Amino acid sequence: KNQVEQSPQSLIILEGKNCTLQCNYTVSPFSNLRWYKQDTGRGPVSLTIMTFSENTKSNGRYTATLDADTKQSSLHITASQLSDSASYICVVSSINTDKLIFGTGTRLQVFP
Amino acid sequence: SQTIHQWPATLVQPVGSPLSLECTVEGTSNPNLYWYRQAAGRGLQLLFYSVGIGQISSEVPQNLSASRPQDRQFILSSKKLLLSDSGFYLCAWKQGYGYTFGSGTRLTVV
Repeated sequence: KNQVEQSPQSLIILEGKNCTLQCNYTVSPFSNLRWYKQDTGRGPVSLTIMTFSENTKSNGRYTATLDADTKQSSLHITASQLSDSASYICVVSSINTDKLIFGTGTRLQVFP
Repeated sequence: SQTIHQWPATLVQPVGSPLSLECTVEGTSNPNLYWYRQAAGRGLQLLFYSVGIGQISSEVPQNLSASRPQDRQFILSSKKLLLSDSGFYLCAWKQGYGYTFGSGTRLTVV
């Protein structure tokens, strides 16, 4: 069964600190993996997208990694800001289907 | 530029009332369009997708329906809302590998 699991479910950090969010998936055959940021009450906004051949991709202070062998991805946030408070969603798609499999997200709160 | 519009942003409706949520895209033609629902603490669930005018695929049996009367318009409807229809509804369109989501509609059925 195609699944995407994220950890931790929620995370609280202080402003300026770094953090890493994890995503494990069982989707096969793998096509690509996306990380989205979703502010409360808003639609998800794409941060990164990686295909099978890519193992790291950065977008400003966000750096995503992908290990297609172990089917794991991480999203590292550097020097966190208050505006980073949001849910971060890992989304995986399979070559066989046009559909996305969503993780349940990690709720990040950055405190001053 | 390519944009997606979704409205209304919030909606409170009584049980048994009809529903119509609208999504339109600009700056593209013949997009693949999607309706998702996000329940509290849950991942997004695909409800419907459309690859063209009048072409609708339903992912889960439910009280809702979708229509695509125009190339860049996607509508989510219900004849009679249930309490379980409450949730956050998102429209999305796909281009290549990229998916762009609308700003969402918070539906509360009371």
